[in-house]
Amino acid sequence: GNSVTQMEGPVTLSEEAFLTINCTYTATGYPSLFWYVQYPGEGLQLLLKATKADDKGSNKGFEATYRKETTSFHLEKGSVQVSDSAVYFCALRQSGTASKLTFGTGTRLQVTL
Amino acid sequence: EAQVTQNPRYLITVTGKKLTVTCSQNMNHEYMSWYRQDPGLGLRQIYYSMNVEVTDKGDVPEGYKVSRKEKRNFPLILESPSPNQTSLYFCASSPQTGFNYGYTFGSGTRLTVV
Repeated sequence: GNSVTQMEGPVTLSEEAFLTINCTYTATGYPSLFWYVQYPGEGLQLLLKATKADDKGSNKGFEATYRKETTSFHLEKGSVQVSDSAVYFCALRQSGTASKLTFGTGTRLQVTL
Repeated sequence: EAQVTQNPRYLITVTGKKLTVTCSQNMNHEYMSWYRQDPGLGLRQIYYSMNVEVTDKGDVPEGYKVSRKEKRNFPLILESPSPNQTSLYFCASSPQTGFNYGYTFGSGTRLTVV
């Protein structure tokens, strides 16, 4: 079956540091890939997505590139802010009418001054 | 504003007392789903619905029921809640067409069963 593996957290960074959160997946065929962000006490918000190989999703300074050869979709940001502190979820959605989002376990990011 | 609305946000109940968590979306989405979020386990799908009167089990359906009588509403029913159903619950919706759509999530319902 499909699965998503994320790096263990928490990740603690100083403000303006470079961020990478690793995500790899297992799926049949070519799924769409997503990053969601969950701020404290809130629901999940779509951060970015990529729907085919070599696509780059980007939003709010975050980027991730769909790498089919390494089955990866790592999240990066060049300079994090305290306001980026949240839990980040990598997810995939397989083609098919009953397709669901399959999530990783989430990575907590804590950014300090 | 396009959104998924869940109620209540917080609920404390006792074992065995039936409860319903409501979910409504205003985007005319065909696909709706319920997830539970538990520490270390991420989000796991409970039930989903592809359209009115079409529902099916997800990965962890035991102890839950759903119904989809109208396109906009997808309530989650716990007939006899137990402490292992203490969790954070999310409703989500998506256009059915194509797998390149993500979900729009509600704000969550934190349920405690004592």
